[in-house]
Amino acid sequence: EAQVTQNPRYLITVTGKKLTVTCSQNMNHEYMSWYRQDPGLGLRQIYYSMNVEVTDKGDVPEGYKVSRKEKRNFPLILESPSPNQTSLYFCASRGTVTYETQYFGPGTRLLVL
Amino acid sequence: QQPVQSPQAVILREGEDAVINCSSSKALYSVHWYRQKHGEAPVFLMILLKGGEQKGHEKISASFNEKKQQSSLYLTASQLSYSGTYFCGSLFLNAGNMLTFGGGTRLMVKP
Repeated sequence: EAQVTQNPRYLITVTGKKLTVTCSQNMNHEYMSWYRQDPGLGLRQIYYSMNVEVTDKGDVPEGYKVSRKEKRNFPLILESPSPNQTSLYFCASRGTVTYETQYFGPGTRLLVL
Repeated sequence: QQPVQSPQAVILREGEDAVINCSSSKALYSVHWYRQKHGEAPVFLMILLKGGEQKGHEKISASFNEKKQQSSLYLTASQLSYSGTYFCGSLFLNAGNMLTFGGGTRLMVKP
C-alpha cells in the first residue's frame, strides 16, 4: 500500500529540548515536503526536498532543519523548540508525473510547553 | 504567492449546493483540491491541468480558468459527509514541485 508515515503522531515537549519527527514514503517519490498547519493559516510549507541531498527553504523555515540522506526518508528537526512551534505537522511526497498529486502523512501534533 | 480561497466558511443544509473558489496572482500549472476532516490528513479530491484535463472524484466537479488563473470546486446536493475544510493547492516552480495551498474554506453541512 502506497503511504507516507510519520512518527510520532503526538508529542509533548518542553522549550529547548531537541526533537526529530520522522517521515518515510514507500512510493519512490523524488519530491518531499514538510508543512505546518495552524488555525486560520492553512498549510504552510516549511522545507522541501527535490531529491537526495537537495533541500531548500519553504515559506516558514525559521527554527527547523531537515535532511535527505535517503530517498524515502525526510526527517524534520527542531533543534531548540519554542512554544510558537506548537502546531500540526504534515509530511508529503510527490512523484514526477505531471498529473500526479501529492500524498500526505497522517500528521504529527506537537505541543511545546 | 499563496492562492486565495473564497469564501472562508460556508454553512449548508443537506441537499444544497456550494461553490468554492481559488485564485492565484501567479501562473498556475495545475490545481489540486483536497478535503480535510478536523485533525486528519488532507484527502485528495481532484486535479485540474492546463488544457482542461481533469482527474479525480466522480461526484465532485471543478473548473479551471487558465486566463484568469482561477479554479472553482462545485459541490452539488451536499451530504453530511461533505463537511470539512477544503484546500486548493497550486504548483509553483519555486516550491520544489510541491503544492502551495490556499488558506482553506470551512464547509459545514447541517441536517
